[in-house]
Amino acid sequence: SAVISQKPSRDICQRGTSLTIQCQVDSQVTMMFWYRQQPGQSLTLIATANQGSEATYESGFVIDKFPISRPNLTFSTLTVSNMSPEDSSIYLCSVEGPVSGPYEQYFGPGTRLTVT
Amino acid sequence: DAKTTQPPSMDCAEGRAANLPCNHSTISGNEYVYWYRQIHSQGPQYIIHGLKNNETNEMASLIITEDRKSSTLILPHATLRDTAVYYCIVRPATDSNYQLIWGAGTKLIIKP
Repeated sequence: SAVISQKPSRDICQRGTSLTIQCQVDSQVTMMFWYRQQPGQSLTLIATANQGSEATYESGFVIDKFPISRPNLTFSTLTVSNMSPEDSSIYLCSVEGPVSGPYEQYFGPGTRLTVT
Repeated sequence: DAKTTQPPSMDCAEGRAANLPCNHSTISGNEYVYWYRQIHSQGPQYIIHGLKNNETNEMASLIITEDRKSSTLILPHATLRDTAVYYCIVRPATDSNYQLIWGAGTKLIIKP
């Protein structure tokens, strides 16, 4: 299994500002994902972070609002831009392996974001 | 929409077996059944997966019906730390770019 860390673990931010969340994995992985989990809700996929190319966004999420970087096979960042209170959520990074399948997805501890 | 249906909540006494059902009547022949759980304030945790045969690991057992339209996750000796939301998900075996569709899951409460 992969060990995933996220920074920060939590933050309180003012509306209109941006926050960048970091995700670090202890091994090289092909697939990295970013999820959002709003209070009391299930997980919603934001995007797939592709190494060396632009992220692939799900319906309802756009690059201008949630820019993602993936500079290598062990690291990714998600930025929540121009935040509003509706962005208050837990943001989760996940990775998938093994490369040969069948696939298991491992999650980081999450970043709890509160926008005031 | 999620391809699985689960009861919204269940209770189980500590030390007893917790049996969590999942219906996946539209499952395809190449789709696995995966189980994850999310303990409060933590990221989801992989538990087990299976295709046709029953599976067992150090955390749980997975029983899949012969027609594969439903399955049961069994925690053999539930402890208070097993209190969590349990998610049943189906996904293709060979598609690495498949989006996991997370339903509401079952909130399992283990009572002393």
